Amino acid sequence: GAGVSQSPSNKVTEKGKDVELRCDPISGHTALYWYRQSLGQGLEFLIYFQGNSAPDKSGLPSDRFSAERTGGSVSTLTIQRTQQEDSAVYLCASSPDRQETQYFGPGTRLLVL
Amino acid sequence: AQSVSQHNHHVILSEAASLELGCNYSYGGTVNLFWYVQYPGQHLQLLLKYFSGDPLVKGIKGFEAEFIKSKFSFNLRKPSVQWSDTAEYFCAVNARNSGAGSYQLTFGKGTKLSVIP
Repeated sequence: GAGVSQSPSNKVTEKGKDVELRCDPISGHTALYWYRQSLGQGLEFLIYFQGNSAPDKSGLPSDRFSAERTGGSVSTLTIQRTQQEDSAVYLCASSPDRQETQYFGPGTRLLVL
Repeated sequence: AQSVSQHNHHVILSEAASLELGCNYSYGGTVNLFWYVQYPGQHLQLLLKYFSGDPLVKGIKGFEAEFIKSKFSFNLRKPSVQWSDTAEYFCAVNARNSGAGSYQLTFGKGTKLSVIP
């Protein structure tokens, strides 16, 4: 019955490699969000899911970024050909519905060398 | 698109001092307003929220915020801070993204609060 969980908690990768970040939302929450938190930049919206569909992908910074959600639950954010500027904390949040309070996971800290 | 401004990047206070963190947003329609807090080493937690009704909302740990619609503001206050309030505070606005048809939560850049014992 816990909150939002994310894995891995930390990821170090080499420039050019692909990475997958996972989010397990709170059970029953239909809305799921991905954000990026960079030093000095605050939180940047990436993508929103309602169920398994993504009506709002407006925040994805480039076509190297993609995300999917299966079974209305787990979501994966994939970054292809990582760049050093992708280094950040990637946060996932879920909410019962799109207008409701969002509950955040602990984040995945990504470092691209 | 909506935007959120937090006026102070870093605030340093002594214990028992009063706190007010400014937050202004730009959006002409109906909004839901939030303050989140991130304690050192922990994840974002909801401090308080405003959806409708009484514009003065009370949250956890003695925090409160006042929604002033005419000023597009949602400032956070606490009468007497404690060392344990040291954290980063984020104001956020949830408003309809007309282009995508979804509600998008837009955050300010955060205010770091350091409370000196």
